[in-house]
Amino acid sequence: QKEVEQNSGPLSVPEGAIASLNCTYSDRVSQSFFWYRQYSGKSPELIMSIYSNGDKEDGRFTAQLNKASQYVSLLIRDSQPSDSATYLCAGDYNTDKLIFGTGTRLQVFP
Amino acid sequence: EPEVTQTPSHQVTQMGQEVILRCVPISNHLYFYWYRQILGQKVEFLVSFYNNEISEKSEIFDDQFSVERPDGSNFTLKIRSTKLEDSAMYFCASNRGRTEAFFGQGTRLTVV
Repeated sequence: QKEVEQNSGPLSVPEGAIASLNCTYSDRVSQSFFWYRQYSGKSPELIMSIYSNGDKEDGRFTAQLNKASQYVSLLIRDSQPSDSATYLCAGDYNTDKLIFGTGTRLQVFP
Repeated sequence: EPEVTQTPSHQVTQMGQEVILRCVPISNHLYFYWYRQILGQKVEFLVSFYNNEISEKSEIFDDQFSVERPDGSNFTLKIRSTKLEDSAMYFCASNRGRTEAFFGQGTRLTVV
């Protein structure tokens, strides 16, 4: 069974801090991972994609992939109250579809 | 910036009725998808569509579901006889293939 696991949270961080969101996956086959942000009642919005081991930075966001440990993370620097949302991790398991985790709810308090 | 658009944003239907959810994928994308999200649950894959045929479908996508690309721009999901448990947000997505998928704003389907 191919799965993506996330802690549902909530993860609470103060404004300006680094938020660290984590995700593990069940099968070494998966090659590509994606982080989506989902505000309540809205659709998933793509934040980052990562295809190879290591770090990928885009503005305040850094995605990290460790295929040996089957672990993906998303760091959000200088967290803002507007970052408060549910963050979804998804893997493609080398197919055309995405398998999503349940999401981690992030709360950034002023 | 190009985006995936979905209509309607909210659909209320009686159990047993047929519904059609519509999507206009991003124009240069080749792969189209339907996902659903039951309230409070994870986003679940339903079906992928490429080159005018289904490329993959999940166990959820049974005989009550069908997809169609009736013209060069629209992509539709039909549910023939809706059940209460079909109530969910339905998201259309598209990409150029094994790359970032972009989601529409969703259709909230309520079956009463």
